[in-house]
Amino acid sequence: KAGVTQTPRYLIKTRGQQVTLSCSPISGHRSVSWYQQTPGQGLQFLFEYFSETQRNKGNFPGRFSGRQFSNSRSEMNVSTLELGDSALYLCASSLSPTSSDTQYFGPGTRLTVL
Amino acid sequence: AQSVTQLDSQVPVFEEAPVELRCNYSSSVSVYLFWYVQYPNQGLQLLLKYLSGSTLVKGINGFEAEFNKSQTSFHLRKPSVHISDTAEYFCAVTPPGYGGSQGNLIFGKGTKLSVKP
Repeated sequence: KAGVTQTPRYLIKTRGQQVTLSCSPISGHRSVSWYQQTPGQGLQFLFEYFSETQRNKGNFPGRFSGRQFSNSRSEMNVSTLELGDSALYLCASSLSPTSSDTQYFGPGTRLTVL
Repeated sequence: AQSVTQLDSQVPVFEEAPVELRCNYSSSVSVYLFWYVQYPNQGLQLLLKYLSGSTLVKGINGFEAEFNKSQTSFHLRKPSVHISDTAEYFCAVTPPGYGGSQGNLIFGKGTKLSVKP
């Protein structure tokens, strides 16, 4: 069974631009979560989607948004990029949002903002 | 609110030596506990998890962890490490239930394990 796929793997943008990252979950998984990983703040929860609905959102500004499609694929968007948005963005999928369901992580998208 | 403290940011150890990576959590409610490993330029891989039952949990690659409710700890151990265990290890918690009230996994800052020959 294929794992979680994230595209693109690497991205370079300039301040003020916007970016869209994509995540394809493991087949059959309907829950997708996004995390931001930076050296300073570590791993921080961004949002969680299940059946096309955002169930939870972390403490990030409104420039960060996301959505989930009917096939469970998810995208996250960051508008008006800032230097501090440079990070590894990780997507994780699980069968459902039930806390006991293991989250499987993708390799991440490395975003660099210049 | 839950929080996770990984007491050591870096742990150097020689090959074949035992290792313990420490994790303490703070929570007013019961939690589920996880250890993940991240190899360079890769995502996170689940090592083991504690949901309930036996407090000694065995995971992949010879790792195990012990849940201690009175000390609110979930330390990760391996009796003999290999060079290939060099990676960053993350402890995480989430409240039981459907999705959790505070989002999803709450991670510690990570511990970089460096295994030297």
